[in-house]
Amino acid sequence: DAKTTQPPSMDCAEGRAANLPCNHSTISGNEYVYWYRQIHSQGPQYIIHGLKNNETNEMASLIITEDRKSSTLILPHATLRDTAVYYCIVREFSGSARQLTFGSGTQLTVLP
Amino acid sequence: DTGVSQNPRHKITKRGQNVTFRCDPISEHNRLYWYRQTLGQGPEFLTYFQNEAQLEKSRLLSDRFSAERPKGSFSTLEIQRTEQGDSAMYLCASTLGESSTDTQYFGPGTRLTVL
Repeated sequence: DAKTTQPPSMDCAEGRAANLPCNHSTISGNEYVYWYRQIHSQGPQYIIHGLKNNETNEMASLIITEDRKSSTLILPHATLRDTAVYYCIVREFSGSARQLTFGSGTQLTVLP
Repeated sequence: DTGVSQNPRHKITKRGQNVTFRCDPISEHNRLYWYRQTLGQGPEFLTYFQNEAQLEKSRLLSDRFSAERPKGSFSTLEIQRTEQGDSAMYLCASTLGESSTDTQYFGPGTRLTVL
């Protein structure tokens, strides 16, 4: 699986959009971009995933650049409960059940 | 709530003791994963089951670790002769298994402290 690079920490004001960047410059054509988050002392929670098109669900939006070398997770109206470590993961679509390879993630702190 | 459950949530043991953790996946999920997470790090893959078959093991899974999923439902992870380096959060995840892009749903984890 391709490696990802994320900033170690970010702050965001409550009610504002949180934009979390991820670099995956070595991504290959059959690899998806996944985002998970982990609130302190809980298990990771799935947020969203995509291949090349932008995706949106009830939690967030995922914007993937045209060359697929980077992506941005957008939380449109951050709340204090969104404070968590956010992991960007690149995962191969191969027909085999691949495990997730987590990096160190970005600690997002939403400030009141 | 029909999410992934793990028991116990916390376990404190003395070095050299054996411990066993249990994971109950989401009903009808046929793939089950174990991960380990140490402080300040992301989770690391340990092993994976497709139904009752253990199909992959990480090199992190030393011979003191054993995992089972006897009837393809719940799974247990046993650590024999625990060491202080085994102190970590042990996470379980499950997926339906119909697609390689299946979402993995995680349990709350079991936090192990070895004294």
